[in-house]
Amino acid sequence: EADIYQTPRYLVIGTGKKITLECSQTMGHDKMYWYQQDPGMELHLIHYSYGVNSTEKGDLSSESTVSRIRTEHFPLTLESARPSHTSQYLCASNGQVSYNEQFFGPGTRLTVL
Amino acid sequence: GENVEQHPSTLSVQEGDSAVIKCTYSDSASNYFPWYKQELGKRPQLIIDIRSNVGEKKDQRIAVTLNKTAKHFSLHITETQPEDSAVYFCAASKNPSGTYKYIFGTGTRLKVLA
Repeated sequence: EADIYQTPRYLVIGTGKKITLECSQTMGHDKMYWYQQDPGMELHLIHYSYGVNSTEKGDLSSESTVSRIRTEHFPLTLESARPSHTSQYLCASNGQVSYNEQFFGPGTRLTVL
Repeated sequence: GENVEQHPSTLSVQEGDSAVIKCTYSDSASNYFPWYKQELGKRPQLIIDIRSNVGEKKDQRIAVTLNKTAKHFSLHITETQPEDSAVYFCAASKNPSGTYKYIFGTGTRLKVLA
């Protein structure tokens, strides 16, 4: 089924650990995004990509990095997690077919102790 | 920079009443305006959208209106039901020749009281 997937769904880790949040979509979309959202609060764009080997920083300053080596895959990495990184991370994608609708993944809820 | 203001931040209505959420955007080149609904613990999902060449769009109990001159668009929900309770986000973007990223509003928490 065409969808956007995120793993893990929940993650609890200690300060200083390196983590990678995975995002994959099977919709053939060329554009992908990462948002940070505290539950029920604003959506903050932290990274986006308009295609393979193309990545940009978003509107919210973030200590994370991203890569886009394959069209369907857009992982986000935190080199050294801190308690201030505790939040929900939502991946999204869109393409040309449905005008500009962004489809969201189910999110990863990250807690850094 | 580009900005979308959304009001109110919280809204409580009685079941069966109407709810209106308003957004104002700053970039006059914006031409696509989606509305997303996010239920508790779920991902945001598109409920309705409008393009700049249309003034109004309706889908059953929800409708969106756009005033390009005022750079203002609104979501209208009629005959509200408890399942309409959620956080609603408006957004603006420029498509297809501009940037595809969304500028989101800050969200409105709608509570429908039974």
